[in-house]
Amino acid sequence: NAGVMQNPRHLVRRRGQEARLRCSPMKGHSHVYWYRQLPEEGLKFMVYLQKENIIDESGMPKERFSAEFPKEGPSILRIQQVVRGDSAAYFCASSEVTRAAGANVLIFGAGSRLTVL
Amino acid sequence: SQQGEEDPQALSIQEGENATMNCSYKTSINNLQWYRQNSGRGLVHLILIRSNEREKHSGRLRVTLDTSKKSSSLLITASRAADTASYFCATAIYGNKLVFGAGTILRVKS
Repeated sequence: NAGVMQNPRHLVRRRGQEARLRCSPMKGHSHVYWYRQLPEEGLKFMVYLQKENIIDESGMPKERFSAEFPKEGPSILRIQQVVRGDSAAYFCASSEVTRAAGANVLIFGAGSRLTVL
Repeated sequence: SQQGEEDPQALSIQEGENATMNCSYKTSINNLQWYRQNSGRGLVHLILIRSNEREKHSGRLRVTLDTSKKSSSLLITASRAADTASYFCATAIYGNKLVFGAGTILRVKS
């Protein structure tokens, strides 16, 4: 029973290129969350998705960033025209459906480290 | 601004000593969670405490919650070198989105 799988683990892009980060949630989990972490800092929420729906994208930059969680396949975080400031670790987490707000325990992947040259 | 703020930012102790980390938050919560992150890895869930609970234990971990002061503490007893990590508290302001604090870096020296 694999946990949350992220790939690639490391990605190097030049300025202006596109970065695609993939996340397969834990089996049985229908919620996916993306977070960004800069060195020596905490995690910043980006987006929360369920299958085929974006529930909360309040942490996503308005431009160049998009996320999806299709009916089939992994969730994708896409960064277009990357800039050096996009260099960070991007973590995906998943959870199962719960009733109580805030009661979801998140299972995190190992992260994808993006370096923009 | 962060919903959760951990204190101290960094803590260095000797193996066998206890480590206490604090978290303050700003808005009402239903639950508060603590996570650990080893260097270069993803976060691992440690413990969840509900708003109607005041204290919870799990192994060498003890978490307290004071909703009147909007604060929580994580105590690790008899620390080990393997406890060296960053520790984050997380709260859900609304819905299921968790907001994390900046974390406390714990170093346990052997």
